[in-house]
Amino acid sequence: QMQLQESGPGLVKPSGTLSLTCVVSGDSVSSGNWWTWVRQPPGKGLEWIGEIFHSGITNYNSSLKSRVTISVDKSKNQLSLKVNSVTAADTALYYCATRHYYYHGSALNYWGQGTLVTVSS
Amino acid sequence: EIVLTQSPDFQSVTPEEKVTITCRASQAIGTNLHWYQQKPDQSPKLLIQYASQSFSGAPSRFSGSGSGTDFSLTINSLEAEDAATYYCHQSSSLPHTFGQGTKLEIK
Repeated sequence: QMQLQESGPGLVKPSGTLSLTCVVSGDSVSSGNWWTWVRQPPGKGLEWIGEIFHSGITNYNSSLKSRVTISVDKSKNQLSLKVNSVTAADTALYYCATRHYYYHGSALNYWGQGTLVTVSS
Repeated sequence: EIVLTQSPDFQSVTPEEKVTITCRASQAIGTNLHWYQQKPDQSPKLLIQYASQSFSGAPSRFSGSGSGTDFSLTINSLEAEDAATYYCHQSSSLPHTFGQGTKLEIK
């Protein structure tokens, strides 16, 4: 069974860069999946950040696009998220998740446990 | 961007009740609509994919229906463990979006 585990600094300073990784086990990042990042501000709903296919194809939420980079590291079987120029509004629980690439409109069928990032000086 | 609007935002229900949560899309999305359950301090879990297909492991009391712009999630014979927030999600067009969530409280 696939497992996803997010990690990264829990505290980032305003205007800095948020960097997270998601280690994939039980499957390969080179398999037929979109690898996705979703975030959830404390006490609020879910926001789709973006996704990547192992070939390098990416889709980003336009509300964040200019500040976000998602990448995959096949050698480490993990994906990464970078958000630059962060503000307090980027404080959230960040999840990695996955869905099938070859099925249009597929659902996020596996999720990590999430990692909390607080933006504060 | 497709906006998903869930109704209600909150509902307090008793065990064994039947509950229906609706999700309306601002544009037609076919059946590319999915439902998730999120319990406190847990990550979301997929319940229903493609509007009406039960995901592996989802209890049979959960069912979904709809297409186009109007969708619903029904929980038959509610159990105490169903206390959670439920989200709809569309992956029909970019950016993918989620409904605002519906919180179910069990009396």
